[in-house]
Formats: sequence, structure tokens, C-alpha cells
Amino acid sequence: EAGVVQSPRYKIIEKKQPVAFWCNPISGHNTLYWYRQNLGQGPELLIRYENEEAVDDSQLPKDRFSAERLKGVDSTLKIQPAELGDSAVYLCASVSGHSSYNEQFFGPGTRLTVL
Amino acid sequence: AQSVSQHNHHVILSEAASLELGCNYSYGGTVNLFWYVQYPGQHLQLLLKYFSGDPLVKGIKGFEAEFIKSKFSFNLRKPSVQWSDTAEYFCAVNAGEYGNKLVFGAGTILRVKS
Repeated sequence: EAGVVQSPRYKIIEKKQPVAFWCNPISGHNTLYWYRQNLGQGPELLIRYENEEAVDDSQLPKDRFSAERLKGVDSTLKIQPAELGDSAVYLCASVSGHSSYNEQFFGPGTRLTVL
Repeated sequence: AQSVSQHNHHVILSEAASLELGCNYSYGGTVNLFWYVQYPGQHLQLLLKYFSGDPLVKGIKGFEAEFIKSKFSFNLRKPSVQWSDTAEYFCAVNAGEYGNKLVFGAGTILRVKS
């Protein structure tokens, strides 16, 4: 079974530039998450999708961040414009079902560096 | 708001030493508890989880964790570590309503000397 796929793995941009990250969850997983992991910290939830609906985006900085999950499968997270403080690893995770004790499967992440 | 505290950010042990990583959370209701591990160059993966029943949970690779409700703790243990246990360990709590919402601790980097 293929795992969660993310691309690109690394991205270096200058501040004020736009950037986009892509995630393909495990087949059949209806719930998808985007997390941000700052250096020396644990992942922090940005947004959670149930199929194509964003059910929790309370921690997404909506002035510059946007996300979509068309057709309830792949998802894209965008930052426009990027700021220096956005440098972090952006993780995508997926889970089958809705139970709070189901395992989340994580992708390898995209390491973003904003110069 | 929920929070998760991991007591040590860096731990260095020799092979065969015993390991205990502390984790405390702040939430008074029903919780589901997880330990995730990230080996060098790999993605986060589940080590073990607790949601009900026996508070002593056994996971992969000889790890176990004990849920102590009165102490709001979920410490990770291993009797004898190996060099291959070198990794970063994250405690996480899910105390949300319907659906999964994990709150992670800051992580503990474990280095095992061979």
C-alpha cells in the first residue's frame, strides 16, 4: 500500500513569493490534515478535511494561507505571499474513518525555507 | 486549550540502558493518547496508542506506555534501548469532539550511543 505522498520535498523561495504544496493521501482515506512543524516543535494542525469539506480551519492564517481538496482526494496548500516566519516543515496526514483513536498516516513533509 | 508537555528535549543513552520519556497533558475529559516516532530521514509513524482499557499499552519494537489518569501522564518506556532507537519521539493527545485532532508535544530527541 502506497503511503501519503507529498511534493515537493524541499522548497526555497524569497519572501513575498507564492508557494504551493501538494498532497496525495492513502487511497480510501477520507480525512486529510495539513500540519506545520516549526524547528524544535511538534506538528500543529492547520486544517482538517472530511472528504472535500474543510471541517476545521480555525488555525489556518487565512490572510495568506489557502487550501483546497477538490474531489475529496488530493489537496493543495498555498501561501501567498510567504513571510520569513513561514519557514517550516509542512506535513500532510490522512486517516480512514472518523474515530478519534484511528492512526494518522503522515507523509514525508515539505521543508520550506523563506529567504 | 489542550497542551502537551514533554519533559526532556534531548536524551542521550548508551545501548542497553532503560528509557523513560515523560509526557503530560492538560485536559480533564476523555482522551486518546499516542506516541509517534520519527527515525532519521523518515516520516512520522505510530509507535503505540491508548484509548481505553488496560492503561499499560504495548507498542512496536518493545516500547510500552502507561496511562496514569490522576497524573495526566502517558510516559513512554523501553527496558533496553538499541542504537536503532535513535529518533525523535512525539507524544500526542486527541481530546476533540467527533473527528481526529491531535495536539503534539514538542518532541524528545533520543540518541543512543553504541
